[in-house]
Amino acid sequence: KQEVTQIPAALSVPEGENLVLNCSFTDSAIYNLQWFRQDPGKGLTSLLLIQSSQREQTSGRLNASLDKSSGRSTLYIAASQPGDSATYLCAVRIGGTYKYIFGTGTRLKVLA
Amino acid sequence: GAVVSQHPSWVICKSGTSVKIECRSLDFQATTMFWYRQFPKQSLMLMATSNEGSKATYEQGVEKDKFLINHASLTLSTLTVTSAHPEDSSFYICSASSPYRVGANEQFFGPGTRLTVL
Repeated sequence: KQEVTQIPAALSVPEGENLVLNCSFTDSAIYNLQWFRQDPGKGLTSLLLIQSSQREQTSGRLNASLDKSSGRSTLYIAASQPGDSATYLCAVRIGGTYKYIFGTGTRLKVLA
Repeated sequence: GAVVSQHPSWVICKSGTSVKIECRSLDFQATTMFWYRQFPKQSLMLMATSNEGSKATYEQGVEKDKFLINHASLTLSTLTVTSAHPEDSSFYICSASSPYRVGANEQFFGPGTRLTVL
């Protein structure tokens, strides 16, 4: 059974810091991995999607990497801003299906 | 493109009543839709997968008679919470995907529906 874990569960940093969020999964037979942002009481915003054959994806200040064999992904946020404060979720798509299993989330707070 | 809407965005109901939540793909035809539930400060848990024109597949532990899912068209899926109780209060999020559009590997998520059962 696929399990997805995110570390740390919560993070508070001063503005301007570069930071790394971690996601690990137990079964490497994934189709892809996606990072999402969720603001309080809101739905999900897709940030980056990495196919199983890819190693990383970049969008602006965000960079996500994937090491499928070790069951790990990291989301790197450069020069963090207060507007980055949100919960970040990673999700893996199970191979051969459209099902996503979500991680436990990292609640990020960037202090001005 | 790839916009998914949900209606209502929030609903308050009395215990014992039924509530229907709609999920619509606005600019593409979704062959598959998913329903998730999210309790406060927890992650999303998949409840069921629905394919257009067929019965939904429920995850283990999800009562199919309590959470009725209908996916009657390629742009609409509904989740009905029957005889709702306070413990059903949660944030319900749907997502939609299609193998026929650009971004076929992605799921596109709706904004969620906050259900509060008194």
